[in-house]
Amino acid sequence: GAVVSQHPSWVICKSGTSVKIECRSLDFQATTMFWYRQFPKQSLMLMATSNEGSKATYEQGVEKDKFLINHASLTLSTLTVTSAHPEDSSFYICSAIKREGLDEQFFGPGTRLTVL
Amino acid sequence: ELKVEQNPLFLSMQEGKNYTIYCNYSTTSDRLYWYRQDPGKSLESLFVLLSNGAVKQEGRLMASLDTKARLSTLHITAAVHDLSATYFCAAPSYSGGGADGLTFGKGTHLIIQP
Repeated sequence: GAVVSQHPSWVICKSGTSVKIECRSLDFQATTMFWYRQFPKQSLMLMATSNEGSKATYEQGVEKDKFLINHASLTLSTLTVTSAHPEDSSFYICSAIKREGLDEQFFGPGTRLTVL
Repeated sequence: ELKVEQNPLFLSMQEGKNYTIYCNYSTTSDRLYWYRQDPGKSLESLFVLLSNGAVKQEGRLMASLDTKARLSTLHITAAVHDLSATYFCAAPSYSGGGADGLTFGKGTHLIIQP
């Protein structure tokens, strides 16, 4: 199988606080992980590409200082939303590519962030 | 910049009918993906199409890819209520290869009525 987990599945925080979201590949090694954001009733938007042991590559318009990404191992990437504001409320979904195969991305279950 | 366009964006159909969702993309890519999303859930992979002329079928769904026309289709045969969901197509954002993040279409919200 190819299972990707995310934690937490949902989080509510106050404006100005930071929130960390974890993305783990449970049964495979992932050299590359991706972070997407989905606003209600909209499509997924790629935020950044995360490669193990190197700096993440951010898409145009995504603030790297606000969305900190760390890919510390071949099975874990984290996204930290710093100084969160209500407009950051969204569904954050990660995906991972197997080290030995580039044909498919495996998506996590998503994390719903609500900033009050 | 890659653009992925789906149509229709909304589709209401009756059980037992057939219909096709279209996905056009603007730059060269050798692969195309289809996903299903249920409300409040993440994505479920439906099809991975990796070459021109690729055709895959799973149950009442069939997907095809024409890389020359930059067109993929998702065909629904004899629709049933359980197929009600939002369907997304996606293509690699940059090089067209498997190591890219994906650019998604806006999604087709499908409602199948008894």
